[in-house]
Amino acid sequence: DIVMTQSPDSLAVSLGERATINCRSSQTILYDSNNMDYLAWYQQKPGQPPRLLIYWASTRESGVPDRFSGSGSGTDFTLTISTLQAEDVAVYYCQQHYTTPYTFGRGTKLEIK
Amino acid sequence: QVQLVESGGGVVQPGGSLRLSCVASGFTFSSSALYWVRQAPGKGLEWVALIHFDGNKYYLDSVKGRFTGSRDNSKNTLYLQLNSLRTEDTALYYCAKDAGAFAMDVWGQGTPVTVSS
Repeated sequence: DIVMTQSPDSLAVSLGERATINCRSSQTILYDSNNMDYLAWYQQKPGQPPRLLIYWASTRESGVPDRFSGSGSGTDFTLTISTLQAEDVAVYYCQQHYTTPYTFGRGTKLEIK
Repeated sequence: QVQLVESGGGVVQPGGSLRLSCVASGFTFSSSALYWVRQAPGKGLEWVALIHFDGNKYYLDSVKGRFTGSRDNSKNTLYLQLNSLRTEDTALYYCAKDAGAFAMDVWGQGTPVTVSS
């Protein structure tokens, strides 16, 4: 199975500042046939189901604010929130959707400093 | 409005069984791959199963032989049969829809399963 390792486990950022969350896969999740990285990012707020933010490492889901961006390729990926808003407090998960089982990272808890 | 609504969760003793259901609306169910994902209390997300629209099914190793996914396209309903339940299966079980890239773009609210003696 592909192991997804997120860092840090938790993060406190001031409002309006940049937040960066990292995710590393234990093997490449880049499909040669279409040159796409099969990496997704989800946001989960307390008491709510997860929300898809990013897929294919950098494609923003419809309706997701453009302050959220994804980058990286191969085995190393980053979710960046350019200017943190209060409503961004949540746990963020990365997930590889390259091969089953579609494993998730353990999550990063984002809080306001 | 695209929606998924799970039901069927409950409290069951170890070794027991449950059948979870997920009713879909607002999209073409028959041509969508669907997932089950679970979340143990206070823990992270764990992918459980993929039920493809072509009938293929894929499972987490720890549930193979115990859990069985199925779908009824005439009822727009996804199912997960849980047998030989263990305490470590205790979780909130979500169904989710494939975004077309094997990521999950629509989620239900989840149905809780508690395995306890």
